[in-house]
Amino acid sequence: DAGVIQSPRHEVTEMGQEVTLRCKPISGHDYLFWYRQTMMRGLELLIYFNNNVPIDDSGMPEDRFSAKMPNASFSTLKIQPSEPRDSAVYFCASSRTVYNEQFFGPGTRLTVL
Amino acid sequence: SQQGEEDPQALSIQEGENATMNCSYKTSINNLQWYRQNSGRGLVHLILIRSNEREKHSGRLRVTLDTSKKSSSLLITASRAADTASYFCATDAPHGNNRLAFGKGNQVVVIP
Repeated sequence: DAGVIQSPRHEVTEMGQEVTLRCKPISGHDYLFWYRQTMMRGLELLIYFNNNVPIDDSGMPEDRFSAKMPNASFSTLKIQPSEPRDSAVYFCASSRTVYNEQFFGPGTRLTVL
Repeated sequence: SQQGEEDPQALSIQEGENATMNCSYKTSINNLQWYRQNSGRGLVHLILIRSNEREKHSGRLRVTLDTSKKSSSLLITASRAADTASYFCATDAPHGNNRLAFGKGNQVVVIP
């Protein structure tokens, strides 16, 4: 298995633009997690899905953020409009159960100018 | 909400020395996990210890769990430069938010 795949690996955009981050979880994993990591705030859980259904989105910072999982092999995290404070590394992770070992993707480094 | 917290938060050691870091948590758990994050990479799972286990080994890693003190320690023996990374503990919260809660991370620098 190729592991969790994320794209793009790096994204530089200007304030106000829409940003879409993509994730392909490991096949057979029923849970998918989106995290954001910054030096100031550490690793934050934004949202997670179980069998494509959002379970907990309490970590989504505001309405500018949205996440979807249209099928078991694909998820997106969208920021519209983006702001400089959204600059961070965004990780996607998947696991078989909510408490099992999580497998992280390589992350997307987002820079909003 | 429950969250593991690592201590010390930054550690610098010479290659060949042992590195020990601790994690404390607040509520009862079923298991505790340790992860490593190398610079610019995603987190990688190292080891999981269940609440009914007191110690677990994996290669040069040794994890202990003391549920009475709500704490865990991760020992890396005979450290190598490649062990330079941030280390996170993560706890489940069966009566809480129904997800893993990660600590803030503990940076270890191994000097060759």
